[in-house]
Amino acid sequence: GEQVEQRPPHLSVREGDSAFITCTYTDPNSYYFFWYKQEPGASLQLLMKVFSSTEINEGQGFTVLLNKKDKRLSLNLTAAHPGDSAAYFCAVRDSNYQLIWGSGTKLIIKP
Amino acid sequence: ETAVFQTPNYHVTQVGNEVSFNCKQTLGHDTMYWYKQDSKKLLKIMFSYNNKQLIVNETVPRRFSPQSSDKAHLNLRIKSVEPEDSAVYLCASSYGDNYAEQFFGPGTRLTVL
Repeated sequence: GEQVEQRPPHLSVREGDSAFITCTYTDPNSYYFFWYKQEPGASLQLLMKVFSSTEINEGQGFTVLLNKKDKRLSLNLTAAHPGDSAAYFCAVRDSNYQLIWGSGTKLIIKP
Repeated sequence: ETAVFQTPNYHVTQVGNEVSFNCKQTLGHDTMYWYKQDSKKLLKIMFSYNNKQLIVNETVPRRFSPQSSDKAHLNLRIKSVEPEDSAVYLCASSYGDNYAEQFFGPGTRLTVL
């Protein structure tokens, strides 16, 4: 079945710098991808959902890249600010309709 | 307000006791889920349920059981808690289970002494 590997598990960047988180997956027929954010003590909030047909998606302060050839999903937080400090999770909907989760990245933004 | 609601927020209990956590969604969704999130933040699906089918993660111990009265409610019962059950339990819902994103409740933090 599908396997999702998320890296890095921990990331610390300075305020104003970029933060880059990657998930690789194994099922080439996976077609739907998600990024969630979990602030300390809070629940998961959907950041963005990505169809397999779209390679670049831009949100407020971040960009999601999907490289189907390499089976890689990336989240790039640009000009990070303290409010970005959180855990980030990717999730991949595979060809068996299962939602497979990454192991999470704990992001800390330093002043 | 439309959202996923969970009660209680926290629960502390002793080994061997029975606990029950409540989840209600007012989003009109037809599929609900329970996840366990451990101290390392790893998410593990425990159950998914819609009006047609209950899907159980086979690794979930039998002392865990979901209980649903209607499609807006999915409670979680733990018959006899163990220390390793200490975790945050997250309830989620979605419209359908094939394409839709899941919306999460605030979680219930369980501590087993």
